[in-house]
Amino acid sequence: ILNVEQSPQSLHVQEGDSTNFTCSFPSSNFYALHWYRWETAKSPEALFVMTLNGDEKKKGRISATLNTKEGYSYLYIKGSQPEDSATYLCARGNDYKLSFGAGTTVTVRA
Amino acid sequence: GAVVSQHPSRVICKSGTSVKIECRSLDFQATTMFWYRQFPKQSLMLMATSNEGSKATYEQGVEKDKFLINHASLTLSTLTVTSAHPEDSSFYICSARLTSGGNEQFFGPGTRLTVL
Repeated sequence: ILNVEQSPQSLHVQEGDSTNFTCSFPSSNFYALHWYRWETAKSPEALFVMTLNGDEKKKGRISATLNTKEGYSYLYIKGSQPEDSATYLCARGNDYKLSFGAGTTVTVRA
Repeated sequence: GAVVSQHPSRVICKSGTSVKIECRSLDFQATTMFWYRQFPKQSLMLMATSNEGSKATYEQGVEKDKFLINHASLTLSTLTVTSAHPEDSSFYICSARLTSGGNEQFFGPGTRLTVL
């Protein structure tokens, strides 16, 4: 993998259901993996910065895992709520420069 | 804390004019700020790294004479799109790192530029 890729591009989830999506990135010379939540007309909000292989971080109903050897990270949303509707961006950090994926847009249906 | 503002949020200009976008860290000092551009359905692409008191570092393929960056204080960086043309129409967004360090970057809300 040469670039940061996110899949799926978009997904719809029913309120109360859980969901997850993927960020794939080049595994060589890994430094850090960032997750952001970006709501329309707002600033991207930092969710996690992950640096260690096998790391798992949690913030409320949102959690993320990291596999630096195979170059992927999963973001999980448990019990989705309408306020979780946003675009979730991941970015591979290298010497403080970020390379972003195109994002996964999550729409939670009430 | 760690709030970044951007002004303006939206600007429409005529081809050939110059447009200045401001990025401010409101409650922290930022030695380093970053400027990104996003075209429709694409990812945020780093354009340049702005360092307080020194020249900006531009990514490959970004014209430094086209996109002038000034970082005159620890809380303000500006991006000026000179002689704008329709192909410069895009979403421009900045971020800032804490002077005290850390991996996190804090983003502004972005500026939508439309060049007619």
